[in-house]
Amino acid sequence: GAVVSQHPSWVICKSGTSVKIECRSLDFQATTMFWYRQFPKKSLMLMATSNEGSKATYEQGVEKDKFLINHASLTLSTLTVTSAHPEDSSFYICSALDRTLSGNTIYFGEGSWLTVV
Amino acid sequence: EDQVTQSPEALRLQEGESSSLNCSYTVSGLRGLFWYRQDPGKGPEFLFTLYSAGEEKEKERLKATLTKKESFLHITAPKPEDSATYLCAVQAWDDKIIFGKGTRLHILP
Repeated sequence: GAVVSQHPSWVICKSGTSVKIECRSLDFQATTMFWYRQFPKKSLMLMATSNEGSKATYEQGVEKDKFLINHASLTLSTLTVTSAHPEDSSFYICSALDRTLSGNTIYFGEGSWLTVV
Repeated sequence: EDQVTQSPEALRLQEGESSSLNCSYTVSGLRGLFWYRQDPGKGPEFLFTLYSAGEEKEKERLKATLTKKESFLHITAPKPEDSATYLCAVQAWDDKIIFGKGTRLHILP
């Protein structure tokens, strides 16, 4: 079964509104989570690294004030797209880093389709 | 510069025709190499983690191997349901994760 849950799976919002996407690690605590954006038939584009209890680290070219990331607990990170515009429509995916004594594994959520109309 | 290169970009095989996908990497200290399968419109599904050169892991028709410079994902007697994009990623010692662009695999019945 899924070890990282992402919600909602799809969302439609009006231009100018904000929308929040949640990413939860179900079976482990994740001090580090990642947010990606993916365009059709393109590779994953890392937007930011989310660290529990501290500010997210954004990749170059990603607007911090537009894509708000919060990682308030060891099992939950949220991505809020503020003042959404049609060009923000995309597939957003999160992942969580599971650190164990035997090694690290990164698990992905199922993704969230955002359509801004 | 840390880098991950996957080849080929796309691969079409007949059902039952075995082949290998390549993931070449340069990284400042390898903490782990990951393989994922991604179906259209879905998040990547975890397949394997490899940690050191010489390590091999198997799952059904897939086997992943690792050397100091590259990893191979061998697919034996593939079926149409194995069609997907296969992603490779490496984790460096500073925890930075670098993804390849993927190989689109299409298995023809």
